[in-house]
Amino acid sequence: EAQVTQNPRYLITVTGKKLTVTCSQNMNHEYMSWYRQDPGLGLRQIYYSMNVEVTDKGDVPEGYKVSRKEKRNFPLILESPSPNQTSLYFCASSLTSGATIQYFGAGTRLSVL
Amino acid sequence: KQEVTQIPAALSVPEGENLVLNCSFTDSAIYNLQWFRQDPGKGLTSLLLIQSSQREQTSGRLNASLDKSSGRSTLYIAASQPGDSATYLCAVRTTQGGSEKLVFGKGTKLTVNP
Repeated sequence: EAQVTQNPRYLITVTGKKLTVTCSQNMNHEYMSWYRQDPGLGLRQIYYSMNVEVTDKGDVPEGYKVSRKEKRNFPLILESPSPNQTSLYFCASSLTSGATIQYFGAGTRLSVL
Repeated sequence: KQEVTQIPAALSVPEGENLVLNCSFTDSAIYNLQWFRQDPGKGLTSLLLIQSSQREQTSGRLNASLDKSSGRSTLYIAASQPGDSATYLCAVRTTQGGSEKLVFGKGTKLTVNP
């Protein structure tokens, strides 16, 4: 089954404790991205990757890192989480950039205390 | 800067009614427009994708139209059912500030009452 898988689905952590949210897709997609969703602000892009070893900032990259060492994986790293990073996070992928459909993971709900 | 607006923010209808959700965007330079459904606390399910060169797409009881020149899209839901209750999001795929992304509206929360 074609899918985008995020782990963990739920995470509660404390300020400053490094964490990684994994994202994996099984569709051989080139393009992957991360979004966060906050009440009243909607979905905003954090980072995206056009292909392996190619990443770039979205609208709200501060406090986040990403890497794309393999085509299928695109982890989101929070080196020193803060309470303002409490949010619902989504990973997405598409075959290429441009005019192709984007598929979303089920989301990761993160709470930073 | 591309901005996407969805009106209304919330809509409540009785079961069986036909309804229209609206989406507008400020910059017509888009690759495509995608409608999503999001259930509470869940991920996004893609409903329909309209390429910039297309006028409409249909899937079952859903029909989405796109008028790129006026910056508008509508999602038509026929014979609504309680199971259609969810938040519907519209997003345009665009390049903005050198970044390629989906720009989302804030959604329309639909409630279909039995």
